[in-house]
Amino acid sequence: GQNIDQPTEMTATEGAIVQINCTYQTSGFNGLFWYQQHAGEAPTFLSYNVLDGLEEKGRFSSFLSRSKGYSYLLLKELQMKDSASYLCAVISGNTPLVFGKGTRLSVIA
Amino acid sequence: GAGVSQSPRYKVAKRGQDVALRCDPISGHVSLFWYQQALGQGPEFLTYFQNEAQLDKSGLPSDRFFAERPEGSVSTLKIQRTQQEDSAVYLCASTPGLITLNEQFFGPGTRLTVL
Repeated sequence: GQNIDQPTEMTATEGAIVQINCTYQTSGFNGLFWYQQHAGEAPTFLSYNVLDGLEEKGRFSSFLSRSKGYSYLLLKELQMKDSASYLCAVISGNTPLVFGKGTRLSVIA
Repeated sequence: GAGVSQSPRYKVAKRGQDVALRCDPISGHVSLFWYQQALGQGPEFLTYFQNEAQLDKSGLPSDRFFAERPEGSVSTLKIQRTQQEDSAVYLCASTPGLITLNEQFFGPGTRLTVL
């Protein structure tokens, strides 16, 4: 089976930087996704990593280390609208996407 | 609209009642997924279609859950004899192609409450 672990909650200040970590245990790794989900809304795609390293996309960056089974999502210049849950999800072989429980981020003034 | 749509958005059922949840994927998307999301949790996989073929139903929690996609577009998730533990948000997602390669586009979900 697969095991995905991420912190339950985080709080950060507007304008700051926050790093949300995700660790996973799986076999046949095929990639890792990060999704953002505002309360009561659908998850929306943020990033996909399959190779080691950092992928930057505007204020958001995602890092992957396959050997360590580790990823993080980095959010810069935090805005109030970034308050949401951030879901780490792993795909392995031909199995369906497996999500972590999500990290609820609160951005405060 | 261009996105995935689901209906109804909210459903309240009495325990023992049957419910049917509908998903309209993005036009032309081959793959369709159903997830169950309990409060404060991540989505959990239920079942997956490629066109009209149901390729994986390993996540369906019991034989009370049934999904179909008869013409390879719209899909229906049916829950028979609903129980309180079925209360959750049911999310549908679609992708243009193969399961492993594409981001999934999610619908807004149906929030099911079983009394």
